[in-house]
Amino acid sequence: DAGVIQSPRHEVTEMGQEVTLRCKPISGHDYLFWYRQTMMRGLELLIYFNNNVPIDDSGMPEDRFSAKMPNASFSTLKIQPSEPRDSAVYFCASSTRDGTDTQYFGPGTRLTVL
Amino acid sequence: QQQVKQSPQSLIVQKGGISIINCAYENTAFDYFPWYQQFPGKGPALLIAIRPDVSEKKEGRFTISFNKSAKQFSLHIMDSQPGDSATYFCAASGLYTGGFKTIFGAGTRLFVKA
Repeated sequence: DAGVIQSPRHEVTEMGQEVTLRCKPISGHDYLFWYRQTMMRGLELLIYFNNNVPIDDSGMPEDRFSAKMPNASFSTLKIQPSEPRDSAVYFCASSTRDGTDTQYFGPGTRLTVL
Repeated sequence: QQQVKQSPQSLIVQKGGISIINCAYENTAFDYFPWYQQFPGKGPALLIAIRPDVSEKKEGRFTISFNKSAKQFSLHIMDSQPGDSATYFCAASGLYTGGFKTIFGAGTRLFVKA
């Protein structure tokens, strides 16, 4: 299996622009997680899905952030409008169970908002 | 407060030495305690995990010690090697009313000197 696939790997954008991050989970995994990693706040869970349904989005920082999972093999995390403080590495992870089992992380998307 | 406190922030160990990283949690609902290893430019990868029904788990050179009453757990890396140089994150997961929570520690940057 190719593992969790994320695109793009790097994104540089200007403040106010819309940013869309993409994730393809491992086939057969029912859970998908979006994380944000920064030096200041470490690794934070933003939202997770079970069978394409958002279960908990309490980690989403603001209404500017939204996530969708239209099918079992694709998810997006959108930031609109983007701000410099959104600069971080965003990881997608998938699992066959909820957080009480191994999560397989993608390589991440490094987002820089100028 | 649902926190996982990890120490030390950084660690330098001689090749062949023992690396020890400690974590403490607050929420007794946590019931899964994984350790993740992250290399620069990569996503975290599960190293070893433990559930509270055991006090120790060993996999090769890596051992988790778990103290349920003290709400503490630690990672021991025996015979540390330069290839072990990475950032290590402890985490705690458990169910709560909204679903589950996975809280990560702030990370420990390990450098093993050859």
